[in-house]
Amino acid sequence: DQQVKQNSPSLSVQEGRISILNCDYTNSMFDYFLWYKKYPAEGPTFLISISSIKDKNEDGRFTVFLNKSAKHLSLHIVPSQPGDSAVYFCAASAGGSARQLTFGSGTQLTVLP
Amino acid sequence: KAGVTQTPRYLIKTRGQQVTLSCSPISGHRSVSWYQQTPGQGLQFLFEYFSETQRNKGNFPGRFSGRQFSNSRSEMNVSTLELGDSALYLCASSLVPSGALNEQFFGPGTRLTVL
Repeated sequence: DQQVKQNSPSLSVQEGRISILNCDYTNSMFDYFLWYKKYPAEGPTFLISISSIKDKNEDGRFTVFLNKSAKHLSLHIVPSQPGDSAVYFCAASAGGSARQLTFGSGTQLTVLP
Repeated sequence: KAGVTQTPRYLIKTRGQQVTLSCSPISGHRSVSWYQQTPGQGLQFLFEYFSETQRNKGNFPGRFSGRQFSNSRSEMNVSTLELGDSALYLCASSLVPSGALNEQFFGPGTRLTVL
């Protein structure tokens, strides 16, 4: 039973346009959410995070939105650049001392020049 | 400073064999977590070590085990390999387990293929 789901395995976007990556979760105990970016042959790198007490967090071109009632979060990238092409994972944590991450299956984003 | 290193980067084994993977965390980091990445499943948490003690364990069979040494380097072992164990195994290091989750740094992974 996947507690964090990324239902779109791939997404293609034109350079300069907005990329929207979605993530749904089922565990209401999750209180901290993160997005990671992964290039081939490299480990995931942290991109942006949001606490459950917020509904939006912005960092440059990247914005994460959290809708707790829908158990849904999304990552917006504006404007999209070819260098953004990578696999994006969303992850969640239930907090407490056992702060392990539960990851989604990832979405391959391709930004077309 | 140097990032998280994992050795070997690629490994091919046959069913029934056992394998040991190694992870050297960032200098000064004392917590190491291991994840398995398979297509369609994302990253699944295996276990976490801190100060040579396993702090947390994911939902994997006992064939998967790990340990951490006094220099914080960690190894994971998989015994009696099955075809389904073919995956990318990632380790991540952080200063301490209770640190901010966005301060967890991943290595490039070890690609294990079981034939």
